[in-house]
Amino acid sequence: GAGVSQSPRYKVAKRGQDVALRCDPISGHVSLFWYQQALGQGPEFLTYFQNEAQLDKSGLPSDRFFAERPEGSVSTLKIQRTQQEDSAVYLCASRPTGGTLYEQYFGPGTRLTVT
Amino acid sequence: AQSVSQHNHHVILSEAASLELGCNYSYGGTVNLFWYVQYPGQHLQLLLKYFSGDPLVKGIKGFEAEFIKSKFSFNLRKPSVQWSDTAEYFCAVNGEAAGNKLTFGGGTRVLVKP
Repeated sequence: GAGVSQSPRYKVAKRGQDVALRCDPISGHVSLFWYQQALGQGPEFLTYFQNEAQLDKSGLPSDRFFAERPEGSVSTLKIQRTQQEDSAVYLCASRPTGGTLYEQYFGPGTRLTVT
Repeated sequence: AQSVSQHNHHVILSEAASLELGCNYSYGGTVNLFWYVQYPGQHLQLLLKYFSGDPLVKGIKGFEAEFIKSKFSFNLRKPSVQWSDTAEYFCAVNGEAAGNKLTFGGGTRVLVKP
């Protein structure tokens, strides 16, 4: 079946603009994760959903970052008033269950450039 | 808090050479350990994982990794690399009490020369 998909693949935003990044997880996957990967770094955890519930948002860097998954499938990561330091690849991953003994499947990412 | 350190940022090898990438983690409890690989232009994908049991785990494409609890290490190895192993490799840890988050190392870029 299809893997995790993300859109758009590339986004250029002017500083101060709001952006919305979409993630379509693998069908039926309960868990969904967002990560931020800065240039030359490994991915860093942002937030985690189990179905529609956001169970962990400890990695969100500021209150400008907001994520939702209202129906327990598609998720949107929103960044308000973008800053240059928000430039990064935003990765989405999904996992079949809420337990930890399963791998996370990653999407291709959205590369955000803030000018 | 959990953390992961990968010692080499860049590795350049010739085909048929052996590869070993270091990974050390910091976490005091039970851990799940992973190696992910990102080939040029592709998604992150799982190479291998350790949850429990035999500390020597085998993954796809001839890769293996050894969990040494006393050294807090999970090094990745491949006896003979191919040009197609050119990629970026990430070690990741999920600590038992850390919930569902993965903590990644900074990655190692491996270039295999034909």
